[in-house]
Amino acid sequence: DTAVSQTPKYLVTQMGNDKSIKCEQNLGHDTMYWYKQDSKKFLKIMFSYNNKELIINETVPNRFSPKSPDKAHLNLHINSLELGDSAVYFCASSQDQLASRYNEQFFGPGTRLTVL
Amino acid sequence: SQQGEEDPQALSIQEGENATMNCSYKTSINNLQWYRQNSGRGLVHLILIRSNEREKHSGRLRVTLDTSKKSSSLLITASRAADTASYFCATGTSGTYKYIFGTGTRLKVLA
Repeated sequence: DTAVSQTPKYLVTQMGNDKSIKCEQNLGHDTMYWYKQDSKKFLKIMFSYNNKELIINETVPNRFSPKSPDKAHLNLHINSLELGDSAVYFCASSQDQLASRYNEQFFGPGTRLTVL
Repeated sequence: SQQGEEDPQALSIQEGENATMNCSYKTSINNLQWYRQNSGRGLVHLILIRSNEREKHSGRLRVTLDTSKKSSSLLITASRAADTASYFCATGTSGTYKYIFGTGTRLKVLA
């Protein structure tokens, strides 16, 4: 059984379009994350939700909007896509939200977004 | 600025050799984790070390933590071609909700 799944795996789209990436976890975790990994493999957190509530919102353009319909799902919607949005986006989950609680994060396989 | 920085950025060794990669960070931490990322895949958790621990082992992995130097090292012994991947450290700080990931070390093990 897949622990953290993301769809789609690849997304190729034109500048200016709006797209969504979906994430689901079946681990019963309370906390979910979105990360962006750039071409240099640098992994940066974007958002985190704990029990459907937003707890981390890094400096991300407001074209990016996360939505958590329930604690097993965290979707990412991106409006007016730009060339610089091209990256791999990873969803992850952990037992709870505190970074001091020795929480292992479980990552999805990633969604490679290419904006043309 | 970024919390964890790893060195070397890239490492190429022969199968059977040991691989050591280092992670340095800037502020006090509660715990530090190491993750592996195979090409085109998500990150996989390898090992966690708490701030009051100095060394931890898991199979062929050995992690050390020196809080006075704000650094950690990951040693992979008797490396295999399958160990070829990028390795990241991630630090967790009390009272915060996020882990900060390092820049990663790309390890290539030649058969």
